[in-house]
Amino acid sequence: DSGVTQTPKHLITATGQRVTLRCSPRSGDLSVYWYQQSLDQGLQFLIQYYNGEERAKGNILERFSAQQFPDLHSELNLSSLELGDSALYFCASSQGTGIGAFFGQGTRLTVV
Amino acid sequence: TQLLEQSPQFLSIQEGENLTVYCNSSSVFSSLQWYRQEPGEGPVLLVTVVTGGEVKKLKRLTFQFGDARKDSSLHITAAQPGDTGLYLCAGDGDRDDKIIFGKGTRLHILP
Repeated sequence: DSGVTQTPKHLITATGQRVTLRCSPRSGDLSVYWYQQSLDQGLQFLIQYYNGEERAKGNILERFSAQQFPDLHSELNLSSLELGDSALYFCASSQGTGIGAFFGQGTRLTVV
Repeated sequence: TQLLEQSPQFLSIQEGENLTVYCNSSSVFSSLQWYRQEPGEGPVLLVTVVTGGEVKKLKRLTFQFGDARKDSSLHITAAQPGDTGLYLCAGDGDRDDKIIFGKGTRLHILP
């Protein structure tokens, strides 16, 4: 158990809908990262927050947004969903930079 | 753009054999990490290497960071079926805090 909690574990939704994925980081970790993993693409970095502030952004679509709340949990919002958004979405947390991160079990999103 | 290239992409060997997988970049990294991922689960952090030339051992796994901090290798001695999985290397972005990942080496150890 990494100490990072993601909910829900599985999500099936229709095209055009909006979903929210939730992540609770390990106790004491201020950094939260979001990744998308598809079969062909590997782990694609989406966005990173540190203590409530956005610190780094990857190739995150405009339809996607995220935030980190004062209690350090984070949410990833995906809207106007398309079939191609089906993937595993991982959250990871870390105490700082250059020391690696601890990943949650992921949310498997299926868009039908 | 920083990229991490891992080789080989796939490796299938017999139990008891030794193997080495590689992680290369044209960029310098302040540190590199290795993770192992099982199907449908999140990556698990194995090790972080920070100093050029550094060698770290984790039981039968030996990790090395290149002198120029542009590459790393993972050597497994006497591979076991339990070593099967996707091995990912990762490093921090040079201008921000993102962690970028290589595409991984998918390792399969045959009993």
